[in-house]
Amino acid sequence: QSVLTQPPSVSGAPGQRVTISCTGSSSNIGAGFDVHWYQHLPGTAPKLIIFANTYRPSGVPDRFSGSKSGTSASLAITGLQADDEADYYCQSYDSSLSGSVFGGGTKLTVL
Amino acid sequence: EVQLLESGGGLVQPGESLRLSCTGSGLTLRSYDMNWVRQAPGKGLEWVASFSGSGDGGHYADSVKGRFTISRDNAKNTVFLQMNSLRVEDTAVYFCAKPKYCGSDGCSGGLDRWGQGTLVTVSP
Repeated sequence: QSVLTQPPSVSGAPGQRVTISCTGSSSNIGAGFDVHWYQHLPGTAPKLIIFANTYRPSGVPDRFSGSKSGTSASLAITGLQADDEADYYCQSYDSSLSGSVFGGGTKLTVL
Repeated sequence: EVQLLESGGGLVQPGESLRLSCTGSGLTLRSYDMNWVRQAPGKGLEWVASFSGSGDGGHYADSVKGRFTISRDNAKNTVFLQMNSLRVEDTAVYFCAKPKYCGSDGCSGGLDRWGQGTLVTVSP
């Protein structure tokens, strides 16, 4: 059971918009710690796509956006493309655990 | 180009030890609080440990606390993960990763550079 809760899977057709939620608690997201998002394809290194809740690293398309409110955060992907199909993870810091925590991951399927 | 290269993975029996290495090129690892993250087969990412260059030493996930030790050799620009008393459930691909920003107030911005990972298999 992950400290940060994500839906196991989401799907959408090409061109559509999908969102992935990340629900935490008062010791992590709700305590004000930043949320970061990663895109991960099997056999490769995870890629940072959103940092500090809403910021995109250089080179990440603006189709990817992040938000945070209360004890939750969300990743939105608009204009879905086939190569967006991957696993997505949220990450934050937990003060009770004194360490980083990841969500359980969400598998995005592009129909 | 910034690169992180892990090595040291392999097949060991339960109770045995292994030391993973993460060597940096194009960056100075002592400038960052380096992290180890793992992914067990069919599972998600799990943060394992981080090394604080500010003097706090290592921080560990509860699942490895007391068994794993993270350290750094500045001369070799390398971070290590010493894994003792290995268990079957430690089987995973282990990644090293660096924070995006590190300064006097600590690190932030997520983990923006990752190695390709090294596979550790613990099996009787």
